[in-house]
Parts: sequence; structure tokens; C-alpha cells
Amino acid sequence: AQKVTQAQTEISVVEKEDVTLDCVYETRDTTYYLFWYKQPPSGELVFLIRRNSFDEQNEISGRYSWNFQKSTSSFNFTITASQVVDSAVYFCALSEVSGGGADGLTFGKGTHLIIQP
Amino acid sequence: ETGVTQTPRHLVMGMTNKKSLKCEQHLGHNAMYWYKQSAKKPLELMFVYSLEERVENNSVPSRFSPECPNSSHLFLHLHTLQPEDSALYLCASSQEGDRVGGNTIYFGEGSWLTVV
Repeated sequence: AQKVTQAQTEISVVEKEDVTLDCVYETRDTTYYLFWYKQPPSGELVFLIRRNSFDEQNEISGRYSWNFQKSTSSFNFTITASQVVDSAVYFCALSEVSGGGADGLTFGKGTHLIIQP
Repeated sequence: ETGVTQTPRHLVMGMTNKKSLKCEQHLGHNAMYWYKQSAKKPLELMFVYSLEERVENNSVPSRFSPECPNSSHLFLHLHTLQPEDSALYLCASSQEGDRVGGNTIYFGEGSWLTVV
């Protein structure tokens, strides 16, 4: 069975600090996708990134970066020079490919990130 | 403008009422989903429709009844709900079989439901 664990329930940092959100996953499949979503107070889940299991290259997008390590089954998300607008709940999610698609996502419980001015 | 729109954004209903949540996707996708998000619980997948056919029903009580009349629209009909059904209901869509996009799921803004 697939599982996503986000051990950090809540993180609070001061603006401009760097912060890393942890994500550990479990799956029996060799082919899968990992995702990060951001949920601001309005409720919408905003897609941030998708990685497939064959691509372990780290990715950087502006102040956001992601570190995917299959050896530790982790897909961590770092925000550099955090800003108040980054305050939100962040979800890590997993999708297995063997299910043939349209299987939905398995989500972690989310990490509530608070950026204090 | 979001590619997935949900109405209403907020709904308060009594336990004996019948109401419906509506979702429309403008992304040309062929799969749609309903998720439930309760306080302090992980997001729960409720229903999946692929090519307008229901492919998954995760043991959801019958008081929740989905309807997918076409690939762009999805409804969740609500009947005799309980206070514990109060939650954020999120609609989403994806393109099944998208090897490039990896079946990325795009979400709407959600419908906040309160059952009194």
C-alpha cells in the first residue's frame, strides 16, 4: 500500500529564513509520481511540482527547490528567503502508475507553514 | 482564472436538506475527482470518474451521490447529511494516460460545507 508521511505538522519561521518541508513516501511500484501542492487559506490546492520516479534530478524554480532521493524515499521541498505570502499548508502526494491512471493521489497530512514578518 | 471551478463556495444545510455541489473543468481533461478534506485529517479520495464512468468509490456513504453527465461536469448530490460531514469538498481533474503530464491532478477552490 502506498503512504506519504509529512512528519512536520507545523513550522514557523521568520521572513527571509530558509525552510525545508520533509516528505517520506512508501510504495511497492517502481514507477510513480510525486507531487507538491500548496493550499492557501482560500482552500484551493495549487499544483507546484511533479517528479517521476526515474528522474532524480533536483529542481529549482525561483525560491523553490526540491530534493528527490530514492535511496531514502524522500522528496523534500525547500523555500529560500521565505516570504509572508508563502504561508500556507503544503501537501506532498504520491501517484502510482501501475493502477492505469485516474487513480487519484495519496496525500500526506500536510505541513502548515507560518512565515512571520 | 482557475481551470476547475466549483459552486457554491460555501454551503450551510440542515440534516434533512437535499443540495448539490457543482464542478466544471475547462482543461479538456477526461478524469474528474471528488475529495473530502476534514479538519486534521488527510485528504480523502471519494469518487473518481474516468471517461464519464465511475471507476472508484472509496466506501463513501450513500448519502453522497456523484453524477458525471459529461467529461467537463461533475456533481455531488447531498442528502440527509450528518454534522460530521462538514468539510471542504474539493473537485479535481486530470488527463488520464498523459505520460508527459503524469496524470497531474488540478484542483478547484473547493466548497465549504457546514451541516447543522
